[in-house]
Amino acid sequence: EAGVAQSPRYKIIEKRQSVAFWCNPISGHATLYWYQQILGQGPKLLIQFQNNGVVDDSQLPKDRFSAERLKGVDSTLKIQPAKLEDSAVYLCASSWDGGTQYFGPGTRLLVL
Amino acid sequence: TQLLEQSPQFLSIQEGENLTVYCNSSSVFSSLQWYRQEPGEGPVLLVTVVTGGEVKKLKRLTFQFGDARKDSSLHITAAQPGDTGLYLCAGAYNDMRFGAGTRLTVKP
Repeated sequence: EAGVAQSPRYKIIEKRQSVAFWCNPISGHATLYWYQQILGQGPKLLIQFQNNGVVDDSQLPKDRFSAERLKGVDSTLKIQPAKLEDSAVYLCASSWDGGTQYFGPGTRLLVL
Repeated sequence: TQLLEQSPQFLSIQEGENLTVYCNSSSVFSSLQWYRQEPGEGPVLLVTVVTGGEVKKLKRLTFQFGDARKDSSLHITAAQPGDTGLYLCAGAYNDMRFGAGTRLTVKP
């Protein structure tokens, strides 16, 4: 069974630029999560989708971050404009029923 | 401040040694999970504990959930270089909250 796919794996941008990350969850998984993991910290939930609806986005900085899951499968996370403190690994995870989460390899973002 | 405090933050030991890492909170969790994360990869679930006082074993790894469901420990017996990684605990709160992790290095 294929795991959670994410792209790109690495991205370097300058501050104030925009960036987008893509996630393809495990087939059949209805729940999708985006996490931010800053160096030296554990993952922090940014947003949780159930199919194409948002369940929890309380920790998403909505002035610059946005996410969508239009068809209830793939998802994109966008940052516009990026700040230096956005440098982190962005992890996508999926679960079948809100239970065990399976993580992708992450996208490592560096904002200069 | 972190909802879940993990200690130690870093641990470097020799192959064959035993170790214990801790995950503590002042909050009660309905369940707690332990993950291992290797460089360049996402976290991989090791175990979920649900019942206070529960002990689960996974080969050389022993996980314990505190009686009050506020804390947990992970004990590794006879550590091997393959155990090297970042060990994260995560508690089911309103959402899943992660600790900052213990970075373990096992030297051959």
